[in-house]
Amino acid sequence: KQEVTQIPAALSVPEGENLVLNCSFTDSAIYNLQWFRQDPGKGLTSLLLIQSSQREQTSGRLNASLDKSSGRSTLYIAASQPGDSATYLCAAGGSGFGNEKLTFGTGTRLTIIP
Amino acid sequence: GAGVSQSPRYKVAKRGQDVALRCDPISGHVSLFWYQQALGQGPEFLTYFQNEAQLDKSGLPSDRFFAERPEGSVSTLKIQRTQQEDSAVYLCASSFPGLVSYNEQFFGPGTRLTVL
Repeated sequence: KQEVTQIPAALSVPEGENLVLNCSFTDSAIYNLQWFRQDPGKGLTSLLLIQSSQREQTSGRLNASLDKSSGRSTLYIAASQPGDSATYLCAAGGSGFGNEKLTFGTGTRLTIIP
Repeated sequence: GAGVSQSPRYKVAKRGQDVALRCDPISGHVSLFWYQQALGQGPEFLTYFQNEAQLDKSGLPSDRFFAERPEGSVSTLKIQRTQQEDSAVYLCASSFPGLVSYNEQFFGPGTRLTVL
């Protein structure tokens, strides 16, 4: 059974700093890994998806990496802004067709201090 | 539509009542998922459809939970005889599986269910 862990559970950093959020998973037989953002009382917004054969994906100030062999992914946020404050969730996708469910971590609650 | 929509956004039920939660996926999306998110936790998988076929219902917590997608588009999650432990946010997601999208899932805003 896939298990996903996110460390730290909460993080506060001053505005402008670069930061890294960590995600680990126990079963390397994944088809993809997605990073999401969740604002209080809202649904999930997809940030980045890394397909299993890829090593990283970039979108603006965000960069996500994937190391399947070690069961780890990181989300790098450059030049953090107060608007980046939210909970960030990583989710490991199933092995493929017919098994597409996501297994989520419990999230990292990020606070950017102006 | 432009995104996944869910209704109602909020639902308060008395213990023992039945509730029905609706999900409208992105037009053309073949796969549809239901997740349950308790306060302070990550979402947990409930069930999954490809078109009208329910391929996996291993996450449904009890036989009080039932989901359907009869025409392969809109889906309904029904909870019978609600209990307080059913209080959570119920999230719906859809995707178009394949080599272009890599099964990327898009989520709706959720339905917050409170059972009194």
